[in-house]
Amino acid sequence: AQSVTQLDSHVSVSEGTPVLLRCNYSSSYSPSLFWYVQHPNKGLQLLLKYTSAATLVKGINGFEAEFKKSETSFHLTKPSAHMSDAAEYFCVVSDKGNKLVFGAGTILRVKS
Amino acid sequence: KAGVTQTPRYLIKTRGQQVTLSCSPISGHRSVSWYQQTPGQGLQFLFEYFSETQRNKGNFPGRFSGRQFSNSRSEMNVSTLELGDSALYLCASSLDSSHKGEYGYTFGSGTRLTVV
Repeated sequence: AQSVTQLDSHVSVSEGTPVLLRCNYSSSYSPSLFWYVQHPNKGLQLLLKYTSAATLVKGINGFEAEFKKSETSFHLTKPSAHMSDAAEYFCVVSDKGNKLVFGAGTILRVKS
Repeated sequence: KAGVTQTPRYLIKTRGQQVTLSCSPISGHRSVSWYQQTPGQGLQFLFEYFSETQRNKGNFPGRFSGRQFSNSRSEMNVSTLELGDSALYLCASSLDSSHKGEYGYTFGSGTRLTVV
């Protein structure tokens, strides 16, 4: 079965500094991987997805992630944090069928 | 185009009652999945429907059920509600279910169910 581990439950950065949210995955086959963001009392918004094309994936709002098969990682980065980036971020792997397996989430805090 | 619509947004029910939640997917999407989000368990897969057939099911008791109509709208039902069923219920719509997520999944804003 597929699984995802988000290595940090909370990350705090200052506005204008880089963001790194770490994710490792376990998969018995070539996975599809996603990053979703959830703002308080909102649904989930797709930031980006990897589906076996380019290993560096660019998403919305300046986020990107790099698929590294040798390290089984799919870390999310952004060069410069904005206050509006404060939210909870989920790394997700697609299991067989249309089942998504979510990580536990990383809460990103952005300090002014 | 319209996104995924979930109704109602908020719901308060009493233990032992039953509840029905609705999800209208993006036009043309035939796959609808349901997820439960709680602070303790995080986001967990409930089930997926494609062309009116349940294709996949998570590890939830039989009190949780669902269905999909010919227009792809889906409903989920929870019978004999328990306090632990309090959660945000999210549905996700996708164009198809035959690939490993290549088409992506669009989520609705969720239904917040509180059981008292």
